[in-house]
Amino acid sequence: GALVYQYPRRTICKSGTSMRMECQAVGFQATSVAWYRQSPQKTFELIALSTVNSAIKYEQNFTQEKFPISHPNLSFSSMTVLNAYLEDRGLYLCGARVGGGRAAETLYFGSGTRLTVL
Amino acid sequence: GDSVTQTEGQVTVSESKSLIINCTYSATSIAYPNLFWYVRYPGEGLQLLLKVITAGQKGSSRGFEATYNKETTSFHLQKASVQESDSAVYYCALRSSSSFSKLVFGQGTSLSVVP
Repeated sequence: GALVYQYPRRTICKSGTSMRMECQAVGFQATSVAWYRQSPQKTFELIALSTVNSAIKYEQNFTQEKFPISHPNLSFSSMTVLNAYLEDRGLYLCGARVGGGRAAETLYFGSGTRLTVL
Repeated sequence: GDSVTQTEGQVTVSESKSLIINCTYSATSIAYPNLFWYVRYPGEGLQLLLKVITAGQKGSSRGFEATYNKETTSFHLQKASVQESDSAVYYCALRSSSSFSKLVFGQGTSLSVVP
């Protein structure tokens, strides 16, 4: 089956520093990856959509300058939170879309990276 | 924009009793969005519970079921008899884009099943 590994599971960084999280697809080709954030007391909010060999599309309120994403191949994607501050804390999830056709209608998620900012 | 509203906060149900978590949606970007229920168990990521792509159909998984009702724009999650292992946070979501799996989530409903 489709598996998505995300690491680290938890991370703590000082205010103003940066941290990188990674997403690995196992057993399938992740043609597209979506990065989400769940801030405290909120639901999951889309940060950006990334498709291999295409421009990354960021949602309103999220920018490449703040959340640069790399998606170099069909099994790996990473996102960095630059200059993290208190409002960036939360659970970050990557969701990978499997190939094409009807299977592509489903996103498979990793277990998330929980970011704490001190 | 597109939005999903579901039963708020925490729901507590006794083991073997029935469950319903309400979900209604509003889709402005697409006439008939795809609808999903995801579940997040403690310490884990989001798992797909069930999905329905076509309006009017019912999806089911692990004893849970949900029917896509386009008249009432609802996708309520039901289970006839819950177990303690069903304790988790449940998220209703819609896919608003036909070109990518962009999901819009509800705020989540925390289910606690007690003995």
